[in-house]
Amino acid sequence: GENVEQHPSTLSVQEGDSAVIKCTYSDSASNYFPWYKQELGKGPQLIIDIRSNVGEKKDQRIAVTLNKTAKHFSLHITETQPEDSAVYFCAASFSIPRDGLTFGKGTHLIIQP
Amino acid sequence: EAGVAQSPRYKIIEKRQSVAFWCNPISGHATLYWYQQILGQGPKLLIQFQNNGVVDDSQLPKDRFSAERLKGVDSTLKIQPAKLEDSAVYLCASSLGLAVYNEQFFGPGTRLTVL
Repeated sequence: GENVEQHPSTLSVQEGDSAVIKCTYSDSASNYFPWYKQELGKGPQLIIDIRSNVGEKKDQRIAVTLNKTAKHFSLHITETQPEDSAVYFCAASFSIPRDGLTFGKGTHLIIQP
Repeated sequence: EAGVAQSPRYKIIEKRQSVAFWCNPISGHATLYWYQQILGQGPKLLIQFQNNGVVDDSQLPKDRFSAERLKGVDSTLKIQPAKLEDSAVYLCASSLGLAVYNEQFFGPGTRLTVL
């Protein structure tokens, strides 16, 4: 089945700096890669996603890049703010035995004031 | 628009006891998912429904876990008997349809502690 590795497990950055979280996946047939943000006591919430026919997607301060050849994708957050502090999960799609998502283990992002 | 509702939010039981979780998805969402999230890990799919039919339950420990979605709306997940390793947050999510690129909306989860 699909395997998704996510790094780092914890990331601490100064407010205003950029943060980058990286994921690799194993199934070359994966074609959809969402990123979720989970705040304490809440369920994950989709923040951005990318499909395999696109190399990069941006939404205000967040962007995702995809390298299908290397089977890795990354989340970039610029001008970090205190409210960006949360756990971020990447995920990759699989289609056997049916469509679904495999999640990474998560990155705890800490924004230092 | 109301989100995915789950109850209870917290549950503490002793091993070998039984427990049930309830989920009410977003109105109109045909697909419902139950995930298990162990501390420090990402969500792991347990079971997926399309309306009131099971699409995939390949990762559901069927000797102790069961789930149903009567009338294709609300769903319940049951564990009987519980083991220590079942301690986790149980997340319910829903989406408009089966296609993987349909956004999954998650509820707040039920935190289960098995003593």
